Amino acid sequence: DVKVTQSSRYLVKRTGEKVFLECVQDMDHENMFWYRQDPGLGLRLIYFSYDVKMKEKGDIPEGYSVSREKKERFSLILESASTNQTSMYLCASSFGRLGIQPQHFGDGTRLSIL
Amino acid sequence: AQKVTQAQTEISVVEKEDVTLDCVYETRDTTYYLFWYKQPPSGELVFLIRRNSFDEQNEISGRYSWNFQKSTSSFNFTITASQVVDSAVYFCALNQGAQKLVFGQGTRLTINP
Repeated sequence: DVKVTQSSRYLVKRTGEKVFLECVQDMDHENMFWYRQDPGLGLRLIYFSYDVKMKEKGDIPEGYSVSREKKERFSLILESASTNQTSMYLCASSFGRLGIQPQHFGDGTRLSIL
Repeated sequence: AQKVTQAQTEISVVEKEDVTLDCVYETRDTTYYLFWYKQPPSGELVFLIRRNSFDEQNEISGRYSWNFQKSTSSFNFTITASQVVDSAVYFCALNQGAQKLVFGQGTRLTINP
């Protein structure tokens, strides 16, 4: 089974802090994704990566950056956390280039910015 | 642009009832893929099914069935004889070009004993 592991289930940070969310997958997948999930809005794509050191903006990249130095690890960075970034963050991975393979998700990180 | 609409925000039924979750999509692509995911209270989204645009056969897996109709751009999901363990948020999704998915808003399904 594919395993996508997010480093924290719950995280509390303060406004202005630099926040790192880590995600690791164990199936050698090319693609990795970061979403945020908010009530009534579903999942919205922040960034994704289709290869090491490659990244592309999703639908809501503002205020975020990402890093993919190794194939199995994809980090989401909140450069200066703000209260409107309080949300559930979900990491996912998939293989292939055609968008036809299902994505496999981690358990999510519930981030609160105070 | 691709779009997925799940008009039912919340559904609540009594155990053993049948329930259908609606999904309507918009796309200009002739080849596309649709997905359903389940998110139980634990938080992890679990893949349920994938359907490509060339295959309009309905699919049945145990108590779950899916009805794909290109004519109405719908990909509805039915749970027969619902159980409390089916309580979750269900998401419909459509591939948006290579690699990416666009998700609907989700439907929160509560099965009451």
